[in-house]
Amino acid sequence: GAGVSQTPSNKVTEKGKYVELRCDPISGHTALYWYRQSLGQGPEFLIYFQGTGAADDSGLPNDRFFAVRPEGSVSTLKIQRTERGDSAVYLCASSPLLSTGELFFGEGSRLTVL
Amino acid sequence: DQQVKQNSPSLSVQEGRISILNCDYTNSMFDYFLWYKKYPAEGPTFLISISSIKDKNEDGRFTVFLNKSAKHLSLHIVPSQPGDSAVYFCAASRGGSYIPTFGRGTSLIVHP
Repeated sequence: GAGVSQTPSNKVTEKGKYVELRCDPISGHTALYWYRQSLGQGPEFLIYFQGTGAADDSGLPNDRFFAVRPEGSVSTLKIQRTERGDSAVYLCASSPLLSTGELFFGEGSRLTVL
Repeated sequence: DQQVKQNSPSLSVQEGRISILNCDYTNSMFDYFLWYKKYPAEGPTFLISISSIKDKNEDGRFTVFLNKSAKHLSLHIVPSQPGDSAVYFCAASRGGSYIPTFGRGTSLIVHP
C-alpha cells in the first residue's frame, strides 16, 4: 500500500531483552517521527528525522532508546534492556518537508514487556 | 506538564445532533492547531487544522474554532453520525520543526 507501514504489529518480549521496531514511511516524505502511546494517553513525541539525521531527539526517555534512518527512508527504533514500563504502542508517522503538523501515521507496533 | 489538555475523556451524543469537543493549551507559541481521529487498532488520521491567525476553519461537517485569548479550541461535528465514533486528539505545533504535541484524547460515541 501507499501508507506508512510498521512491523511487527505486535511484539511480546521479556524484561531485559533487546527490541527493534521498523517503520517504512510514505515514499517521498522526508520527515519521519516516532511517538509512543500508553494506555489512556495521547501520542508522546520521541524523535524526529529530517532526511537521515535526527533533527530532534528530545523526547527519547533515556539512553536505552535509539533510532536510526540510515538512507533517509526506513527507520528503526531500538530499545535496549527493555523494562515493563516500555510497554506501549509505538507509532511512526511521516510527512512532506513543509508540514505544519499534518502527519500520516502507521497502525503502530504494540510492545508488551513481560 | 501537559501543554495540550483535553479534560473530557468521553462524550456521548445522539445521531444527528452536534458534537462539541474541547481542548485547552498553555503554550502561546503554538502556530497551528490540529485535530486527529483514531479508530481502534489504527493510527491517528488527520482531520482538520487551523492557523493561529484564524478563528474558524470549516470542512464539511467539521468546524474548528480557535479562541487565542482563552487558549481554547473546539471541534464541532454537525450532524454527528455513528461512523464518527472514535477517539479525537487535539494537537498543537509551532514554527521550526512543527512537531505536534498531543492531548490525551476524547472518546466520542454517537448513538443511532
